[in-house]
Amino acid sequence: LAKTTQPISMDSYEGQEVNITCSHNNIATNDYITWYQQFPSQGPRFIIQGYKTKVTNEVASLFIPADRKSSTLSLPRVSLSDTAVYYCLVGDSPRDSSYKLIFGSGTRLLVRP
Amino acid sequence: NAGVTQTPKFQVLKTGQSMTLQCAQDMNHNSMYWYRQDPGMGLRLIYYSASEGTTDKGEVPNGYNVSRLNKREFSLRLESAAPSQTSVYFCASPGRNEQFFGPGTRLTVL
Repeated sequence: LAKTTQPISMDSYEGQEVNITCSHNNIATNDYITWYQQFPSQGPRFIIQGYKTKVTNEVASLFIPADRKSSTLSLPRVSLSDTAVYYCLVGDSPRDSSYKLIFGSGTRLLVRP
Repeated sequence: NAGVTQTPKFQVLKTGQSMTLQCAQDMNHNSMYWYRQDPGMGLRLIYYSASEGTTDKGEVPNGYNVSRLNKREFSLRLESAAPSQTSVYFCASPGRNEQFFGPGTRLTVL
């Protein structure tokens, strides 16, 4: 499973766009890129997943360059409730029988008023 | 549809005691996973079960045993608890594109 590197922490203010970049130089051809959000005392929650180019949902966008060695999670107009730890994970699809996630330390995002 | 449920929510053990953490999912998923999360750290995979009747070790299996009782239930057992096993334990089950996590069990071993 490819190792990921992401910033330990980030600060932002309400209403700003936040971009968290993750490096995954050893990503394999079959690997997907997935981001999870975790609030204190809760289990991680799926945000978005992509394989290449750009993916957007109601919560975030995920930008993946052509070489797929990095990815950027974009959170538009953050609010205080977006304060959480964000994990970037790289691995095969949940539909594969060998599927498992390896978590790094994540990025602690603090949104200030 | 409760998703992934875990019991108990909290537990305090003394060193050497045993206990079983219970996990159940009602989403008819084949796979189930146990993770532990130490303070300020990411989750680490303890054991997983790709299907009913199979289990495999993850990153940190030592000191734990698991049982995939049926498709719904996957339990984690600590035979002789140690202070190093103080952690929050999460059970998870993957759907089509994502892992669904339970609320966690906060375990303290004194």
